[in-house]
Amino acid sequence: AQKVTQAQTEISVVEKEDVTLDCVYETRDTTYYLFWYKQPPSGELVFLIRRNSFDEQNEISGRYSWNFQKSTSSFNFTITASQVVDSAVYFCALSEGANTGGFKTIFGAGTRLFVKA
Amino acid sequence: EAQVTQNPRYLITVTGKKLTVTCSQNMNHEYMSWYRQDPGLGLRQIYYSMNVEVTDKGDVPEGYKVSRKEKRNFPLILESPSPNQTSLYFCASSLGGPQPQHFGDGTRLSIL
Repeated sequence: AQKVTQAQTEISVVEKEDVTLDCVYETRDTTYYLFWYKQPPSGELVFLIRRNSFDEQNEISGRYSWNFQKSTSSFNFTITASQVVDSAVYFCALSEGANTGGFKTIFGAGTRLFVKA
Repeated sequence: EAQVTQNPRYLITVTGKKLTVTCSQNMNHEYMSWYRQDPGLGLRQIYYSMNVEVTDKGDVPEGYKVSRKEKRNFPLILESPSPNQTSLYFCASSLGGPQPQHFGDGTRLSIL
């Protein structure tokens, strides 16, 4: 069965520190999709990135970078030079095909990041 | 403005009183989904819909019903709510199943 584990419940850093949020997933499928979403204190959910299982290229977007490694079933997220505005709960998610032809999505429990000024 | 709209945003009700949470999207998305968010558990998928008249169970469908009669709407129905359904609910939509999802602002349900 599919599963997403975010072992870090809470992380606290000081502004300008780098921080990595871990995500480990389990799936039986060879085709699947991984996501990261951000939930700031205001509560909305914001999409950050999507990766499909055939694309192991790492991605960098400004201060954000993602490291996808199929060998370890991990999709980790690094924030470089963190800022107070990065304080949020970050969710990793996995989508894969269901037996009925649809796509189910499983979210991890989330990692709450506190960035102190 | 592209958006997913949920109503109501907040609701306090009592056990057994049927309720419906509406969800509407204006992006012509085919895929819609309902999640509940509980502390320490992240978001758990309740039901999803790949298109009109096509719905399927997520991981926690017990006690919920959905329907997809029109592309833009995907209401969540609690026929006989119970206290363990007290939660924060999110509706989401996307172009397709494995695509990034756009989320509504959430509905906080308290069932006494």
